[in-house]
Amino acid sequence: DTEVTQTPKHLVMGMTNKKSLKCEQHMGHRAMYWYKQKAKKPPELMFVYSYEKLSINESVPSRFSPECPNSSLLNLHLHALQPEDSALYLCASSQTEGAGQPQHFGDGTRLSIL
Amino acid sequence: KNQVEQSPQSLIILEGKNCTLQCNYTVSPFSNLRWYKQDTGRGPVSLTIMTFSENTKSNGRYTATLDADTKQSSLHITASQLSDSASYICVVSAQRGGNKLVFGAGTILRVKS
Repeated sequence: DTEVTQTPKHLVMGMTNKKSLKCEQHMGHRAMYWYKQKAKKPPELMFVYSYEKLSINESVPSRFSPECPNSSLLNLHLHALQPEDSALYLCASSQTEGAGQPQHFGDGTRLSIL
Repeated sequence: KNQVEQSPQSLIILEGKNCTLQCNYTVSPFSNLRWYKQDTGRGPVSLTIMTFSENTKSNGRYTATLDADTKQSSLHITASQLSDSASYICVVSAQRGGNKLVFGAGTILRVKS
């Protein structure tokens, strides 16, 4: 079982909806990540939070809005998404954001945009 | 440019057979290399992690090798099982730039009976 928990596992939404993806870890990790993964492609980094502060935004469109309410939780708020945003969204965590720290991945949220 | 290339793109083998997956990288300065297994619809799970000074690391039927001079790694799977069917992703981490990972495109392995 994964130590990084993501909810929901599946999400179908229309382009005008607002929804949120949630990620939780209780390993005491202080760095958390959002990735987007299209079918048969490797994950692409979207955001990195370090000690609850946004550290990296990989030029992600503003229709994706991350939030880190505390050290265990990471949210991704979605609004006015496009069909091409349909993908598997993975959350990961590591002890810190230091180079080489192993990242532990959740099982992802499969997002489908109608 | 930091890159990771994997081969083959896909592979089909019979249950019980061995196979070897390849990974070449140009990430510099090198920190570590990991092999992840990703089942369909699941998140990646770490199999092995190796630093510059490590040549080989095993995890059950999985054995990874690293040649830091030629910047090559391999993942050898022994006595394959149907549950080994998955995507295997080689991931390299640099010593600078925070903890951003450089992912290979993965090798899709299918084990059939």
